[in-house]
Amino acid sequence: QKEVEQNSGPLSVPEGAIASLNCTYSDRVSQSFFWYRQYSGKSPELIMSIYSNGDKEDGRFTAQLNKASQYVSLLIRDSQPSDSATYLCAVIIPTGRRALTFGSGTRLQVQP
Amino acid sequence: ETGVTQTPRHLVMGMTNKKSLKCEQHLGHNAMYWYKQSAKKPLELMFVYNFKEQTENNSVPSRFSPECPNSSHLFLHLHTLQPEDSALYLCASRGGGDYNEQFFGPGTRLTVL
Repeated sequence: QKEVEQNSGPLSVPEGAIASLNCTYSDRVSQSFFWYRQYSGKSPELIMSIYSNGDKEDGRFTAQLNKASQYVSLLIRDSQPSDSATYLCAVIIPTGRRALTFGSGTRLQVQP
Repeated sequence: ETGVTQTPRHLVMGMTNKKSLKCEQHLGHNAMYWYKQSAKKPLELMFVYNFKEQTENNSVPSRFSPECPNSSHLFLHLHTLQPEDSALYLCASRGGGDYNEQFFGPGTRLTVL
């Protein structure tokens, strides 16, 4: 079983719709969860971090965490063509290294 | 200059060459990382440095040799690479405290001929 799993997509949504991106993780002791956006040929850009169960909102983005189900999601409201990118879910397992374990990413396409 | 910078942005090298990648962070962070991103594979951790000390080598072949002279600079020395080492090499840094947010540099696109 992969440590962090994401559907590779592509997920296609029309402009103005809500895009829902999902991620599951295998290690129950994971504590820190992140969503990165990566445009083609560019490096990952941190867009959301979440540390406790529930929802966290920042502008058009909402991250949702459910530790009991080992599930984290990202909602993008009013999706724009500029949101078209690969979204990477990343998890930190609380060992000394505090390095990120990434999923393979979900490619989002927002259709104008 | 702000954030995390990496040079060069693009590098083409032969299998017998020796080259170095450089990373510099201007965020006052104490931890620095090298990651590798190959086509169609998840980002993979290579090395971790905390306060200039290497705390993780994720089973990386010895043809990759990291160096961290201080908390702001990180190098990756390359020698006798293989074509399968062609990838995007990303540097990241992280601040202290309980929040583990990591910020990436723009990456070096490496092609090994």
